Amino acid sequence: GQNIDQPTEMTATEGAIVQINCTYQTSGFNGLFWYQQHAGEAPTFLSYNVLDGLEEKGRFSSFLSRSKGYSYLLLKELQMKDSASYLCAVRDTGGFKTIFGAGTRLFVKA
Amino acid sequence: KAGVTQTPRYLIKTRGQQVTLSCSPISGHRSVSWYQQTPGQGLQFLFEYFSETQRNKGNFPGRFSGRQFSNSRSEMNVSTLELGDSALYLCASSLSAGEGEQYFGPGTRLTVT
Repeated sequence: GQNIDQPTEMTATEGAIVQINCTYQTSGFNGLFWYQQHAGEAPTFLSYNVLDGLEEKGRFSSFLSRSKGYSYLLLKELQMKDSASYLCAVRDTGGFKTIFGAGTRLFVKA
Repeated sequence: KAGVTQTPRYLIKTRGQQVTLSCSPISGHRSVSWYQQTPGQGLQFLFEYFSETQRNKGNFPGRFSGRQFSNSRSEMNVSTLELGDSALYLCASSLSAGEGEQYFGPGTRLTVT
């Protein structure tokens, strides 16, 4: 089957670092994506990993281990505006389907 | 470059009616995917179109259909609406099928009464 798991909610403090984990089981793998979605808005693209390792982009980094079916999104120097849902998504090799996890709601407190 | 646009943004329909939603991808993007988002189910894949051909379809009943035009614009249609079809319908475009990241439109909020 195809399954993507990520925590439902997380809370962190402004200025801190938070790591959002994602594990996946899919019939094929052709890339992993992280999206940010603020309430009432559309998801926006954050990062893309297709090879193992860490991809860094400003305050956001994403890590992938294909052998473990595992990824994480690391957010540094948290700001209040980072309060949002973070969606992990995997593109399957069977066709061109992208499967999304249920999302992790991150609350950043002062 | 203009982003993905979706029309209408909000729609209220009654059970049994049908609805057509429209999506215009980013200029140069040839792949369009449709998703249904509900609080309980998250983002669920509906279908993807590339070069006017449906490349993949999610686990939705046949009441959900779509098409893509030669200019890459896409429409999705839901017939015989049910209360459970109330959701945010999101369209996403990418350069090519199965490649690169997707860029989402603002969505169409459909309410079925």
